[in-house]
Amino acid sequence: GAVVSQHPSWVICKSGTSVKIECRSLDFQATTMFWYRQFPKQSLMLMATSNEGSKATYEQGVEKDKFLINHASLTLSTLTVTSAHPEDSSFYICSARNAVMSPGYGYTFGSGTRLTVV
Amino acid sequence: AQTVTQSQPEMSVQEAETVTLSCTYDTSENNYYLFWYKQPPSRQMILVIRQEAYKQQNATENRFSVNFQKAAKSFSLKISDSQLGDTAMYFCAFAVGANSKLTFGKGITLSVRP
Repeated sequence: GAVVSQHPSWVICKSGTSVKIECRSLDFQATTMFWYRQFPKQSLMLMATSNEGSKATYEQGVEKDKFLINHASLTLSTLTVTSAHPEDSSFYICSARNAVMSPGYGYTFGSGTRLTVV
Repeated sequence: AQTVTQSQPEMSVQEAETVTLSCTYDTSENNYYLFWYKQPPSRQMILVIRQEAYKQQNATENRFSVNFQKAAKSFSLKISDSQLGDTAMYFCAFAVGANSKLTFGKGITLSVRP
């Protein structure tokens, strides 16, 4: 089945530094990538949607200059948290989808990245 | 805008028994898709079951089945013969059209007691 590899699985960084999270679709073309943020015991909150080769569309309230999303190829999307602060500590999850799949099918999730900013 | 409501934050069930998780949604769309996802302690999102709104027949996957009431905008998940491995957080989700984002409910924490 479809697999999305997300790295790193966890990262600790110092306040003020930047962190990059990668999501790779291993056996399919990820024409669309969704990036979510999840706090403990809470739901997944969509941060942004990106289509390969296009600029990401950010949800209301998400700072696009802080959460940089790149989706330059059909198999790789990255989320960079710039100038990270402790309040950015969270669990980040990507979900990839191939547009050729029938509607309602084919949402494949990465395993998530736990970010801790100290 | 679409909304998904899961009003029960937690539930507990005895192993081998049946439990039903509730979900309601709101949309003005006629063609959409509904999902139940499981998130175990590993936090990997796992698709449990999906339902197309245009299909009247309720979806079934082994021990998991749904009760889809389109007019009432209700989409509940029934887990039969509950197993310890079913302990997880369960999210109801909704998508409209092709390439649409998934909108998630708040989730419910299910504990299966031995």
